[in-house]
Amino acid sequence: AQTVTQSQPEMSVQEAETVTLSCTYDTSENNYYLFWYKQPPSRQMILVIRQEAYKQQNATENRFSVNFQKAAKSFSLKISDSQLGDTAMYFCAFHSTNAGGTSYGKLTFGQGTILTVHP
Amino acid sequence: DGGITQSPKYLFRKEGQNVTLSCEQNLNHDAMYWYRQDPGQGLRLIYYSQIVNDFQKGDIAEGYSVSREKKESFPLTVTSAQKNPTAFYLCASSITGGVGELFFGEGSRLTVL
Repeated sequence: AQTVTQSQPEMSVQEAETVTLSCTYDTSENNYYLFWYKQPPSRQMILVIRQEAYKQQNATENRFSVNFQKAAKSFSLKISDSQLGDTAMYFCAFHSTNAGGTSYGKLTFGQGTILTVHP
Repeated sequence: DGGITQSPKYLFRKEGQNVTLSCEQNLNHDAMYWYRQDPGQGLRLIYYSQIVNDFQKGDIAEGYSVSREKKESFPLTVTSAQKNPTAFYLCASSITGGVGELFFGEGSRLTVL
């Protein structure tokens, strides 16, 4: 079974600075997607960024970018120019595209990292 | 607007009572999911359904039941057999066979007194 580990329960950063959230995962599959989701205090989860495992290029969405190291099974999220609205819990998640695998059709989440942006 | 609606947002029940959480989506997604969120444990999958009239157990299905009679609806019943039901419950949906991106509802907070 796949596992996703976020080793930082809490992080904090000053407004306008850069912060990196860590995520590692364990899988024997070759084809998969990785995600970062954000859960603000309002509680609704929203997608931040997505990475396809077969793409070597790191995904970028405005101030959010990832460092995807497939061999190391590492998928960190970098938030540049942090804003107060970035304060939230961030979840790393794994999705297998292997239709014959046990994880097909469902996401496995890490434990989450609470990020606080200070003014 | 398309989205997922969960109700109620907050629910209080006495120990030993069954309770049903509602989840409705108008995104025309085939797959729907129920996750449980507890502090420090992230999201854990309870049940999921990839097609109407079919569903599979997730990692923590004991004490829960679901039905999928309509594409739009995937209600979750928390039964009296669930030993620690107080939690935040999230419903989600996705396109079957897609990249796996989930769309979430706003969640339901269940407190058992």
